[in-house]
Amino acid sequence: KQEVTQIPAALSVPEGENLVLNCSFTDSAIYNLQWFRQDPGKGLTSLLLIQSSQREQTSGRLNASLDKSSGRSTLYIAASQPGDSATYLCAVGSGGGADGLTFGKGTHLIIQP
Amino acid sequence: NAGVTQTPKFQVLKTGQSMTLQCAQDMNHEYMSWYRQDPGMGLRLIHYSVGAGITDQGEVPNGYNVSRSTTEDFPLRLLSAAPSQTSVYFCASRRYAMGINEQFFGPGTRLTVL
Repeated sequence: KQEVTQIPAALSVPEGENLVLNCSFTDSAIYNLQWFRQDPGKGLTSLLLIQSSQREQTSGRLNASLDKSSGRSTLYIAASQPGDSATYLCAVGSGGGADGLTFGKGTHLIIQP
Repeated sequence: NAGVTQTPKFQVLKTGQSMTLQCAQDMNHEYMSWYRQDPGMGLRLIHYSVGAGITDQGEVPNGYNVSRSTTEDFPLRLLSAAPSQTSVYFCASRRYAMGINEQFFGPGTRLTVL
């Protein structure tokens, strides 16, 4: 059974810092990995999707990398801003067909002004 | 283009009551699914559907029923609500194709069972 772990569980940093969120998964036979952002009491917003054949994806100040062989992904946030404060969820798709996503428990990020 | 919509946003039930959580998407996605999110547990898959008339169970299906009569709609039914079903429920959709499966989520329904 696929298991997804996110470290750290919580992180608080001053505004302007670059930071890295980590995600690891136990079964390397994945089809893709998706990073989401969740604001308190809200739904999930897709940030980046990395297909299994890709090494990284970038969107603005966000960069996500994928190393299938080691079962790891990182989400890099450059020049953090208070508006980046949210919970970041990593989810692994282990099937291209009917399989759902397996989620980590998230990293709760606070950016201090 | 509204994406994935869910109703209601909030609901309080008494133990034993029944209700249906509604989910609709306007992206013509074949695949739709329901997750529940509980503190300390992450999101877990309840049921999913790969097209109209086809449904299957996920990780935590007990106590829930689904049907898929149209591509757009995928309701989740609680036949006899229990306090253990207190949770936030998210509906999601995506295309059903190998390698093309970015998932889009609705805003969620916060359910409390007393």
